[in-house]
Amino acid sequence: GENVEQHPSTLSVQEGDSAVIKCTYSDSASNYFPWYKQELGKGPQLIIDIRSNVGEKKDQRIAVTLNKTAKHFSLHITETQPEDSAVYFCAASKETGGFKTIFGAGTRLFVKA
Amino acid sequence: KAGVTQTPRYLIKTRGQQVTLSCSPISGHRSVSWYQQTPGQGLQFLFEYFSETQRNKGNFPGRFSGRQFSNSRSEMNVSTLELGDSALYLCASRRAGGPEAFFGQGTRLTVV
Repeated sequence: GENVEQHPSTLSVQEGDSAVIKCTYSDSASNYFPWYKQELGKGPQLIIDIRSNVGEKKDQRIAVTLNKTAKHFSLHITETQPEDSAVYFCAASKETGGFKTIFGAGTRLFVKA
Repeated sequence: KAGVTQTPRYLIKTRGQQVTLSCSPISGHRSVSWYQQTPGQGLQFLFEYFSETQRNKGNFPGRFSGRQFSNSRSEMNVSTLELGDSALYLCASRRAGGPEAFFGQGTRLTVV
């Protein structure tokens, strides 16, 4: 079936270092790839997204890359700060009259001060 | 602009009871999707409503149902609650034709 694999499940970095989270999707019809950040007690917050016709997108310290051929996409956070500590989810979405979205299992990021 | 609002934030119910959760989307958004989030299963899609019609459904039993009203507000109902229904229930809204989904804070349901 359709699925999204996300790695690693836990990531610990020193403040100021970079963090990279990788996802692989199975459904080649997926054409929209959002990333969400979820802090404790809150709902997921959309932080960046990329569409299938783009290979890379950057927003300040956050960037996402997409390799459609390999069905891989990655989140890169540079100059990490303690407030970046949260659970990050990748997702792959396709239009089916609405949008069907499959989420990865999440990565718990710890940024040590 | 107000975000997605879910009520109540917390609920405790007894096994066998039923429960109704509410979601008010961002103003102007007509699509509402519901998700169940548990530590073991992650975020799982329940269903999506658009203009009062269900247009996508996940793999959940018929005990899980929903509806959407003409003002785009949506409700989700779970009947005959089981202990395994304990979870964070999230709704997300989208504008018509847009893929970007914005989540509410969720309703934490505990079944005892």
